Amino acid sequence: DAGVIQSPRHEVTEMGQEVTLRCKPISGHNSLFWYRQTMMRGLELLIYFNNNVPIDDSGMPEDRFSAKMPNASFSTLKIQPSEPRDSAVYFCASSLGARGHQYGYTFGSGTRLTVV
Amino acid sequence: KQEVTQIPAALSVPEGENLVLNCSFTDSAIYNLQWFRQDPGKGLTSLLLIQSSQREQTSGRLNASLDKSSGRSTLYIAASQPGDSATYLCAVTDNDMRFGAGTRLTVKP
Repeated sequence: DAGVIQSPRHEVTEMGQEVTLRCKPISGHNSLFWYRQTMMRGLELLIYFNNNVPIDDSGMPEDRFSAKMPNASFSTLKIQPSEPRDSAVYFCASSLGARGHQYGYTFGSGTRLTVV
Repeated sequence: KQEVTQIPAALSVPEGENLVLNCSFTDSAIYNLQWFRQDPGKGLTSLLLIQSSQREQTSGRLNASLDKSSGRSTLYIAASQPGDSATYLCAVTDNDMRFGAGTRLTVKP
């Protein structure tokens, strides 16, 4: 298995532009998570999907952020409009079962976003 | 709300030493605890997963223990090597997976 695949690896964009991050979970995993990592706040959960349905989006910082999971093998995290304070590493993770209760999480390599 | 604390924040040891990384959590009602390794600029690599009913897990030179009642876990690394240098993250899963801030380990040749 290729693991959790994220694209792009790096993204540099200007303030105000739309940014779309992509994730392909491990085949067969039915839970998907988006995390953000910064030096100041560490790893923060943004949103959790189970069976393609958003279950918990309480971590999404504001309306500029949105996430979708149109099918079991693809999810996107969109920021529109982007701001410099959105600069961070965004990780996608997947697990088998609800919330990784039984099998833990597998993380992708992350997307490093820089908004200038 | 679950809080996860890792001590120390940074650790530097000479090659060959055995070492222990500590993780504590405030709510013992967890499903599991997972240790990850993160190299600079890279993603998270899972090292060990301990279910709430288990006491420890071992993989090679790594041994992780879990004491749910006291809210503690330790990651023991035997015979450390320079290649072990990385940040080690502890994460507990209750309703969500909550991470500690990590311990940055440097193993000097």
